[in-house]
Amino acid sequence: AQSVAQPEDQVNVAEGNPLTVKCTYSVSGNPYLFWYVQYPNRGLQFLLKYITGDNLVKGSYGFEAEFNKSQTSFHLKKPSALVSDSALYFCAVRDIQTGANNLFFGTGTRLTVIP
Amino acid sequence: EAGVTQSPTHLIKTRGQQATLRCSPISGHTSVYWYQQALGLGLQFLLWYDEGEERNRGNFPPRFSGRQFPNYSSELNVNALELEDSALYLCASSSGTSGFDEQFFGPGTRLTVL
Repeated sequence: AQSVAQPEDQVNVAEGNPLTVKCTYSVSGNPYLFWYVQYPNRGLQFLLKYITGDNLVKGSYGFEAEFNKSQTSFHLKKPSALVSDSALYFCAVRDIQTGANNLFFGTGTRLTVIP
Repeated sequence: EAGVTQSPTHLIKTRGQQATLRCSPISGHTSVYWYQQALGLGLQFLLWYDEGEERNRGNFPPRFSGRQFPNYSSELNVNALELEDSALYLCASSSGTSGFDEQFFGPGTRLTVL
């Protein structure tokens, strides 16, 4: 069965500091991995995805994520946090083996960037 | 290009009633997905439609149902509403069934069951 864990409900970081939002996954086959961001009273916005190839994936708004197969992790990172990055972040996985396209989401991590 | 649209924005019902939520995908997208975002539970997959067919279903009771129309828009119906059905319902669309296309989400419908 597929699952995603975001071990931190809340992450606080000072503006200008690097940020990391953690994600680990469990699938029976190879994963497709995604990060989405949700601003208040809005739907989810796509940030980046890992399908295959280079383990370091670059996405929107300066975010990047590193796929680590041995640790089954896909942590989201940004070198320098902005106050405007404050939002709810979701990691999601699609298990290629199942043939189903729906995503399994983590419970989300609320990022607060402190000015 | 218009994004995914959902209607209504808010919906208030009483227990036992039926709710109908609507979604229009991005032009050219054939797949539509429905997710439930309940407080503290993250997003739970409900239904996936592609080319008018139900392709996959999440772990929800049969009173959650839907359909996809020839123009690829979709409808989610929730019968016999229960208090715990109160949630934000998100619709997403993608351009195909390859599996690696990202899904684009609408703003959601906030369903409140009293």
